Amino acid sequence: AQTVTQSQPEMSVQEAETVTLSCTYDTSENNYYLFWYKQPPSRQMILVIRQEAYKQQNATENRFSVNFQKAAKSFSLKISDSQLGDTAMYFCAFMGDTGTSGTYKYIFGTGTRLKVLA
Amino acid sequence: DGGITQSPKYLFRKEGQNVTLSCEQNLNHDAMYWYRQDPGQGLRLIYYSQIVNDFQKGDIAEGYSVSREKKESFPLTVTSAQKNPTAFYLCASTGGPPLGSGANVLTFGAGSRLTVL
Repeated sequence: AQTVTQSQPEMSVQEAETVTLSCTYDTSENNYYLFWYKQPPSRQMILVIRQEAYKQQNATENRFSVNFQKAAKSFSLKISDSQLGDTAMYFCAFMGDTGTSGTYKYIFGTGTRLKVLA
Repeated sequence: DGGITQSPKYLFRKEGQNVTLSCEQNLNHDAMYWYRQDPGQGLRLIYYSQIVNDFQKGDIAEGYSVSREKKESFPLTVTSAQKNPTAFYLCASTGGPPLGSGANVLTFGAGSRLTVL
């Protein structure tokens, strides 16, 4: 079964600094997707960034980028120039085949609570 | 605007009562999911449905039931058999086909907070 592990329950960073959130996963599949979602205090889940496993190039979205290491099964999120609005819970997620034709599951890690300090 | 509507936002239940959480989407998405969120445990999958009139158990389906009679709707019933139902519940959907396309991003509703008195 697939698993997603986020080993940092809480982190903090000074405004304008850079922070990296860690995520590791376990799967025997070769084709899958990885995601980072943000959950601010409003609790609305928002997609931050997505990575296809078959792409070697790391995904970037403005201040957000990932370091995808497929062999190591690692998928870290780097936030550059941190802003107060980045304060949120961040979840790493894996999407892959359940083994039943046409069905797919999304597995989430336990989250990292990030606080950006003024 | 297209999106997912969950209701009610807050719900209180007495022990022994069944309650139903509503989830409606107007995104024309095929797949819908229910997750439970507890502090320190992330999101855990309760049930999911890839098409109308079909659904599968997730990792923590015991004490819950669902139906998928319409593409737009995927209600979750928390039954009296669920021993610890107090939690935040999130409904999500995705367009599919998942792999190899851009349709596999999960879109979430705003959530429902259930508290057992």
